[in-house]
Amino acid sequence: DTGVSQDPRHKITKRGQNVTFRCDPISEHNRLYWYRQTLGQGPEFLTYFQNEAQLEKSRLLSDRFSAERPKGSFSTLEIQRTEQGDSAMYLCASSFVSGGGTEAFFGQGTRLTVV
Amino acid sequence: QKEVEQNSGPLSVPEGAIASLNCTYSDRGSQSFFWYRQYSGKSPELIMFIYSNGDKEDGRFTAQLNKASQYVSLLIRDSQPSDSATYLCALGGGTSYGKLTFGQGTILTVHP
Repeated sequence: DTGVSQDPRHKITKRGQNVTFRCDPISEHNRLYWYRQTLGQGPEFLTYFQNEAQLEKSRLLSDRFSAERPKGSFSTLEIQRTEQGDSAMYLCASSFVSGGGTEAFFGQGTRLTVV
Repeated sequence: QKEVEQNSGPLSVPEGAIASLNCTYSDRGSQSFFWYRQYSGKSPELIMFIYSNGDKEDGRFTAQLNKASQYVSLLIRDSQPSDSATYLCALGGGTSYGKLTFGQGTILTVHP
């Protein structure tokens, strides 16, 4: 399978714990996005990378959230001191951008439940 | 005004009918427009994209873009029960720059 891969698919954690999610993009894609989605809402932008550079981070994103994309390959999203409000589906997407379109393809998502 | 607004649902159509999904946006600088389909509990799946004014057809799907009216739509012809899902409109470019900005989605139900 050469699509976007996310790990784990499900995560249950206790409030106050740290969690880390991983995303492996489609291999030739240079752009990687993280979104968060809650029930009944569209995906909410968190951050995106062009190769290894983090180009934008949502103003709404708490300092408890951090993302990395070392060497422009896979990416990790870490949430520190989780809160119940962090419960959501975390989606990763990737695209290949070369001045043209930006069709982005999503992974299966990681569903986080904070108890 | 929300950046991306989709027609409120849920939308229910009979099998074989045309389903029409609409999306308006506020950023005139937006350059690229996408429709995603999302089944319950699954991640969004890209089904159409359009960059220029006019219509773009792909099988039973037609995307329509009118930048002057800041309007993009998706038509699904010969709707099937398997088309029942949430449809998300997304746009890129303009003040969104590199990221995609999504609407809240429209739930479509196709009943036999």
